[in-house]
Amino acid sequence: AQSVTQLGSHVSVSEGALVLLRCNYSSSVPPYLFWYVQYPNQGLQLLLKYTSAATLVKGINGFEAEFKKSETSFHLTKPSAHMSDAAEYFCAVSDAGSNYKLTFGKGTLLTVNP
Amino acid sequence: ETGVTQTPRHLVMGMTNKKSLKCEQHLGHNAMYWYKQSAKKPLELMFVYNFKEQTENNSVPSRFSPECPNSSHLFLHLHTLQPEDSALYLCASSQGRVATNEKLFFGSGTQLSVL
Repeated sequence: AQSVTQLGSHVSVSEGALVLLRCNYSSSVPPYLFWYVQYPNQGLQLLLKYTSAATLVKGINGFEAEFKKSETSFHLTKPSAHMSDAAEYFCAVSDAGSNYKLTFGKGTLLTVNP
Repeated sequence: ETGVTQTPRHLVMGMTNKKSLKCEQHLGHNAMYWYKQSAKKPLELMFVYNFKEQTENNSVPSRFSPECPNSSHLFLHLHTLQPEDSALYLCASSQGRVATNEKLFFGSGTQLSVL
């Protein structure tokens, strides 16, 4: 079965600082990878997805993620944090055994301090 | 506006009550999903419907009963729930299979409390 590990359930950064949220997956074949964001009192929305066209994927709101097959990682970064980035971030991986199942990580809560 | 609407936003029910959660998507998608989101745990996929047919049931207890009358509407019927069923229940939809890189569109969820 697939698994997704997000290191750090809570990350705190200062406004303007680099954001780095870590995601590692277990998969014997290259999966499809996603980052979703959940703002307070809302559902999840897609931030970006890995399509195999390029290892560096750009998403909305200045976020990007790099797929590293050798490290089975798909870390999310943003060069300069903004107060509006405060939210919970979820990494997800497609399940090779299912057409419809995504395996999600436990999420990382990002706090941005002024 | 995400295009996926869930009602009610909040629900408090006793263990002997029967209630239903409703989800409607206005995106013309074929697949609809129920997820359970509990604190400190990953999102758990409960059910998937594709063109009104159930394609996934991830060992969900029978006290949760889904219904998909058409591709735009999805219900989750609840009866004799337990306190540990308290969680945020999220509905989602997609145009196709996530296994082909389709993305999910989520509603805002129903926060359920079982007393």
